Amino acid sequence: SQKIEQNSEALNIQEGKTATLTCNYTNYSPAYLQWYRQDPGRGPVFLLLIRENEKEKRKERLKVTFDTTLKQSLFHITASQPADSATYLCALEADYKLSFGAGTTVTVRA
Amino acid sequence: DAGITQSPRHKVTETGTPVTLRCHQTENHRYMYWYRQDPGHGLRLIHYSYGVKDTDKGEVSDGYSVSRSKTEDFLLTLESATSSQTSVYFCAISESGQGIDEQYFGPGTRLTVT
Repeated sequence: SQKIEQNSEALNIQEGKTATLTCNYTNYSPAYLQWYRQDPGRGPVFLLLIRENEKEKRKERLKVTFDTTLKQSLFHITASQPADSATYLCALEADYKLSFGAGTTVTVRA
Repeated sequence: DAGITQSPRHKVTETGTPVTLRCHQTENHRYMYWYRQDPGHGLRLIHYSYGVKDTDKGEVSDGYSVSRSKTEDFLLTLESATSSQTSVYFCAISESGQGIDEQYFGPGTRLTVT
């Protein structure tokens, strides 16, 4: 069956450190992978999209990698700040629709 | 924020009653989606629409129906609500349905079925 797995544990890190989140998938062959941020009580907000032929994409302090051989995407937040505290969702393109992971909650301590 | 509103934002209803949730957009996007979000499951697609009167089922469509009579409105109906449909419901829109487009989400509707 198809499965998307994100870090099962919440991630607590010190301000200024790099947070690394994983998104592993099975029985998918996505052409695109997206990452979203969700704050409590709000809808998800799009952050980044990466294509299967792109190894890495950056946006400000965010970096995403996409390894179709390992069937994994890594999401990095560098120089983390307390304002980065949120839940981060990965989403895979499947049959022209998006399938979402359950998310990883990141808490950045000042 | 993209111009997406959902109504109501909160609703408590009893088992067996019909419930309709409304999503309204001002972006003129062709695609609209209804998701539910439950702890441990992430967002799961219920139904989506690729144009006026054009809809299709998603991953968890049983017990739900949808209608889209205008580009800007997408309605989700629970014909006879059950406790398992207690959830947070999100509407989303996108310009195309190719998976390459980012989706813009509404603020959500928290539904409790007692």
